[in-house]
Amino acid sequence: AQTVTQSQPEMSVQEAETVTLSCTYDTSESDYYLFWYKQPPSRQMILVIRQEAYKQQNATENRFSVNFQKAAKSFSLKISDSQLGDAAMYFCAYRSANTGNQFYFGTGTSLTVIP
Amino acid sequence: DTEVTQTPKHLVMGMTNKKSLKCEQHMGHRAMYWYKQKAKKPPELMFVYSYEKLSINESVPSRFSPECPNSSLLNLHLHALQPEDSALYLCASSPPYVGGIYNEQFFGPGTRLTVL
Repeated sequence: AQTVTQSQPEMSVQEAETVTLSCTYDTSESDYYLFWYKQPPSRQMILVIRQEAYKQQNATENRFSVNFQKAAKSFSLKISDSQLGDAAMYFCAYRSANTGNQFYFGTGTSLTVIP
Repeated sequence: DTEVTQTPKHLVMGMTNKKSLKCEQHMGHRAMYWYKQKAKKPPELMFVYSYEKLSINESVPSRFSPECPNSSLLNLHLHALQPEDSALYLCASSPPYVGGIYNEQFFGPGTRLTVL
């Protein structure tokens, strides 16, 4: 099974500042998808951003961007201009493009935004 | 419609009760999932249905019984649960692993289950 590691259990950022959440993964596959999910307290898990492994260009969605380093098996999330509503658990996830429907989640990073 | 719905939102049950959780999606996704989630932890996979057939069962105790009556519905039948089964139960759906532009999972809001 693939392993996804998030080495930062907790992070904090000042409002309007930038923060980077780390994620590394272990796989022998060449074709896969990576995701960042956000789960605010007592609220629904939603997709923040996705990256296809075959794409060299890093994905961006408004204030959210990733730094995808395929050789290093690293997939970090950068949140720019942090807002209070960004406070949440963030989970990194991996899905094979070839071998099934299973998603592998990291242990999560709890992000606090300080006003 | 990019929504996964779950009912009920909250459920309190005794250890001898039988109850069911329901999940519904109308996105045409042919993979549906049940997860168990404890606070500040990642979702733990319980079951995966692919094209209405059970494809993954992560050694879940038999007191949890999944059912997929059709491509839009997923149920989780609960019987003789233990207090340690108290958790948030999440349903999700996704396109199957072959094809599709959107390969992510869409999650429902979850059912908060308390077992007394």
